[in-house]
Amino acid sequence: QVQLVESGGGVVQPGRSLRLSCAASGFTFSTYGMHWVRQAPGKGLEWVAVISFSGNTKSLADSVKGRFTISRDNSKNTLYLQMNSLRAEDTAMYYCVKDPYGTADGYFHHWGQGTPVVVSS
Amino acid sequence: DIVVTQSPDSLAVSLGERATINCKSSQSVFYSSNKKYYLAWYQQKPGQPPKLLIYWASTRESGVPDRFSGSGSGTDFSLTISSLQAEDVAVYYCHQYYSFPNTFGQGTRLEIK
Repeated sequence: QVQLVESGGGVVQPGRSLRLSCAASGFTFSTYGMHWVRQAPGKGLEWVAVISFSGNTKSLADSVKGRFTISRDNSKNTLYLQMNSLRAEDTAMYYCVKDPYGTADGYFHHWGQGTPVVVSS
Repeated sequence: DIVVTQSPDSLAVSLGERATINCKSSQSVFYSSNKKYYLAWYQQKPGQPPKLLIYWASTRESGVPDRFSGSGSGTDFSLTISSLQAEDVAVYYCHQYYSFPNTFGQGTRLEIK
């Protein structure tokens, strides 16, 4: 069955960087688009980033554009989110999400358990 | 950006009764080329990630009980639980995937009356 396991979260000071990883298993990772979605404590869901199956097409939310980068290594079945210049408002649970399509223009089919990121001095 | 608004923000329903949550998008999420509405619904229980319930506005995900149904057209959609069970207590979100940035409704908290 589909498994998505996020890692790399933690407590970080404002302005610093963090890289999240999502290890995928139970499906052919290289054929599906992937997303990152976050949820601030006690708040709703916010889409953060998307990448197509090949990695050739990417998009980021305006709130993270210029600071975050999404990438993938299909040889390692792993999705990444590089987060630079972190701000307090980036504090959230970050979920790795599998799209049902390679073009990553579908619904959010499978979700990982999430990794927490806390930005605080 | 497409704004998605849910109503109500919270809802209390008696066990066995019907619960309906509404979702309105600021513009159409209908793609005429495939005649599909790019609207999904998720259930989130405390301490858990969201779980997909409904996609294409009315297609139930495999394994989701048939008391859950989605409907709607144009810019107005709804999620209905036909007979509320105790395990349905959760926050429910609608999500438009018609365009990027994908956006969610603010969530509806469903409780037992």
